[in-house]
Amino acid sequence: SYELTQPPSVSVSPGQTASITCSGHKLGDKYACWYQQKPGQSPVMVIYQDTKRPSGIPERFSGSNSGNTATLTISGTQAMDEAEYYCQAWDSSTADVVFGGGTKLTVL
Amino acid sequence: QVQLQESGPGLVKPSETLSLTCSVSGYSISSGFYWGWIRQPPGKGLEWIGSIYESGSTYYSPSLKSRVTISVDASENEFSLRLRSVTAADTAVYYCARDVGVANWGSPGAFDIWGQGTIVTVSS
Repeated sequence: SYELTQPPSVSVSPGQTASITCSGHKLGDKYACWYQQKPGQSPVMVIYQDTKRPSGIPERFSGSNSGNTATLTISGTQAMDEAEYYCQAWDSSTADVVFGGGTKLTVL
Repeated sequence: QVQLQESGPGLVKPSETLSLTCSVSGYSISSGFYWGWIRQPPGKGLEWIGSIYESGSTYYSPSLKSRVTISVDASENEFSLRLRSVTAADTAVYYCARDVGVANWGSPGAFDIWGQGTIVTVSS
């Protein structure tokens, strides 16, 4: 089965840049999405097709995907960005939508 | 605006069938997108269950495929999930969501609008 690996936690100071990575075999050949989930809430898509932001998502959220790693970058991180973040991709070889295990972003 | 709402029993007995429905409002389910189910066990990550098109065409998670059926009722603007032979491991929050992946790049897995989720507990 295809796996996406994320660090369990990332910490960042307010106003700084946070980077959350997602690793998978030849992930750069697939399209990656990212979701933000706050406690007790449904996930929210923040990046799709590697780099695109859905309507309403602040410009400080950006994405990249190359080689084996996709990265979600949050510039000028705010306290409201503290949440769990999940990457996700479609693996054609297993015909499966795969989610990473999630990364808890702490803003302190 | 587009809203999705899950409904169904919150408690299911082991070995029985879990049945949930997702009602879509503010948008026609027959407008060219897939519609998906995703679940999240307590304290754990997200797991895709499957996605369905208005025509009934489906994609299923390989790990759940033998127990899952997703169906669509365009006249009611809703789609449904049935998961057979449930165990405690199927206890989770179940979300329905709009899947825009196929329409945009030909493969499922891009969930841009989510329901609020419904908790389903499997217990006798």
